[in-house]
Amino acid sequence: SQKIEQNSEALNIQEGKTATLTCNYTNYSPAYLQWYRQDPGRGPVFLLLIRENEKEKRKERLKVTFDTTLKQSLFHITASQPADSATYLCALKMDSSYKLIFGSGTRLLVRP
Amino acid sequence: EAQVTQNPRYLITVTGKKLTVTCSQNMNHEYMSWYRQDPGLGLRQIYYSMNVEVTDKGDVPEGYKVSRKEKRNFPLILESPSPNQTSLYFCASMSSGAALETQYFGPGTRLLVL
Repeated sequence: SQKIEQNSEALNIQEGKTATLTCNYTNYSPAYLQWYRQDPGRGPVFLLLIRENEKEKRKERLKVTFDTTLKQSLFHITASQPADSATYLCALKMDSSYKLIFGSGTRLLVRP
Repeated sequence: EAQVTQNPRYLITVTGKKLTVTCSQNMNHEYMSWYRQDPGLGLRQIYYSMNVEVTDKGDVPEGYKVSRKEKRNFPLILESPSPNQTSLYFCASMSSGAALETQYFGPGTRLLVL
């Protein structure tokens, strides 16, 4: 069955640097992949979606890439700020199903 | 304001006592879904619904029931809760079809089964 892997170790970076988070999946390429932000005790908030035929998507300081050969998506936050500190989740949807499969998330800590 | 609401937000119950967690959305979305979130396991989908009277199992449906009699509501029912259903539950909704993209989550329901 399809699985998603995100780095379970927290990413700790200095303010102003670029944060890069990784999402790897097994088996077949998904129809699309989503990235969410989740703060403690709150529901996830949708950030970006990238489809299987897209290489890159941008939104303000956020950038997502999708490499179907490596079976990997990278999520970048440029000029990171302490307010970007949160857990970031990736999720994918397979073509054949309306199920959404989530990774367990990576915690990002941006130091001032 | 576009939102997904869940009630109750916190619930402590005992094994075997039936409970219902309500979920409602005001965005006229066709697709609704329930997830549970546990430490180290991430979000796991319990059930989802593509439209009224159309529901399907997610990855962890055992011990749960859902119904979709109206477009805006998607209650989660635990007929006989057990301690392994202690978790943080999220309801979510999004548009379906070609725009099956932005998923909106509710604030979560924290359930403790004793």
